[in-house]
Amino acid sequence: GENVEQHPSTLSVQEGDSAVIKCTYSDSASNYFPWYKQELGKRPQLIIDIRSNVGEKKDQRIAVTLNKTAKHFSLHITETQPEDSAVYFCAASRVTGGFKTIFGAGTRLFVKA
Amino acid sequence: EADIYQTPRYLVIGTGKKITLECSQTMGHDKMYWYQQDPGMELHLIHYSYGVNSTEKGDLSSESTVSRIRTEHFPLTLESARPSHTSQYLCASTTPPPRDREDEKLFFGSGTQLSVL
Repeated sequence: GENVEQHPSTLSVQEGDSAVIKCTYSDSASNYFPWYKQELGKRPQLIIDIRSNVGEKKDQRIAVTLNKTAKHFSLHITETQPEDSAVYFCAASRVTGGFKTIFGAGTRLFVKA
Repeated sequence: EADIYQTPRYLVIGTGKKITLECSQTMGHDKMYWYQQDPGMELHLIHYSYGVNSTEKGDLSSESTVSRIRTEHFPLTLESARPSHTSQYLCASTTPPPRDREDEKLFFGSGTQLSVL
């Protein structure tokens, strides 16, 4: 069946460094790739997304890249800050007569001050 | 304020009890979901609904049931709770995107942390 693989499962960086989280998806029909951030004890929230007709999207310190040929997409966080510490989930969405979102297993990011 | 609300926030119950977790959204969304998540871990889809009178099972086998009698309300019921049901339950909703778009942006509730003793 469809799946989304996410790496690494845990990532620790020094404040100010960059962090990269990578995902691969199996369903070539996937056309929408959102990223959710879940802080400790809180609900997941959408932080950035990218559609299949775009290769890269940036919003301040975060950016996403998409390689449809290789079925890879990545989240890049620059100049990390302690408040970036959270669990990040990638997801892939496709039309199945009603849409379906498949989540990756999550990456726990620690930013050390 | 338009949002998605879950009650209770925390629930501790004994084995064998019947419980209902409430989820309501005031955003007018059609599609609603229930996910099971151990803290900070993978999100497992257990039920979803396209709209009123529509319910579907998700990817994770679950002993729970759901109903969708009203657009804004999507309760989840456990007929007989067991310790293996101890987890966080997250409700989410989304509105179908326009015909030429594929965006399915999920809005999550704050969750119900269930502990079954």
